[in-house]
Amino acid sequence: GAGVSQTPSNKVTEKGKYVELRCDPISGHTALYWYRQSLGQGPEFLIYFQGTGAADDSGLPNDRFFAVRPEGSVSTLKIQRTERGDSAVYLCASSLGGELFFGEGSRLTVL
Amino acid sequence: QKEVEQNSGPLSVPEGAIASLNCTYSDRGSQSFFWYRQYSGKSPELIMSIYSNGDKEDGRFTAQLNKASQYVSLLIRDSQPSDSATYLCAVTPYNQGGKLIFGQGTELSVKP
Repeated sequence: GAGVSQTPSNKVTEKGKYVELRCDPISGHTALYWYRQSLGQGPEFLIYFQGTGAADDSGLPNDRFFAVRPEGSVSTLKIQRTERGDSAVYLCASSLGGELFFGEGSRLTVL
Repeated sequence: QKEVEQNSGPLSVPEGAIASLNCTYSDRGSQSFFWYRQYSGKSPELIMSIYSNGDKEDGRFTAQLNKASQYVSLLIRDSQPSDSATYLCAVTPYNQGGKLIFGQGTELSVKP
């Protein structure tokens, strides 16, 4: 597709469940980013990939959060044992080294 | 101290006025600076980037960078109601590759 695609657009889950969020970047973009945005706040950096490897994962809040990009294209953000505080919009962005292009986000609600 | 700080607003200006949005950052070695616009319920989109001290103009938008003061601003001339959005300042910290850190955003409201 022409832009960054994120699925699902909305996810409602129960506390303690496992969740996967998927990001399909713009074709050819080598860098891929995950951010988390709560209402009224700016995007909070989680992790970014250059190719298949995580170049910087310093923003992952704890070991319940994990992300992979096995073939250097699609990425999956995985959240184990979800908590109500994980509720937010999870934004994915891709880049060729300059401007970040964002997807429309995955809104996660943990009940 | 937050890495990137902005006044959350809201900043309200009348149509046709100049809107001035400000941002400070803590890492003196930061190299790249960006302004993103985010409409309510939408994702951020890049409107300006600036890398060296001084002013950079693009249409009605001017970005200003002062590295000595660790300050970056965005001016919007002839503000339009369609400019009403949250404006996010973003900075690449020194020696951290492509990592981009965002401020909390300033909400701008342009009144007709």
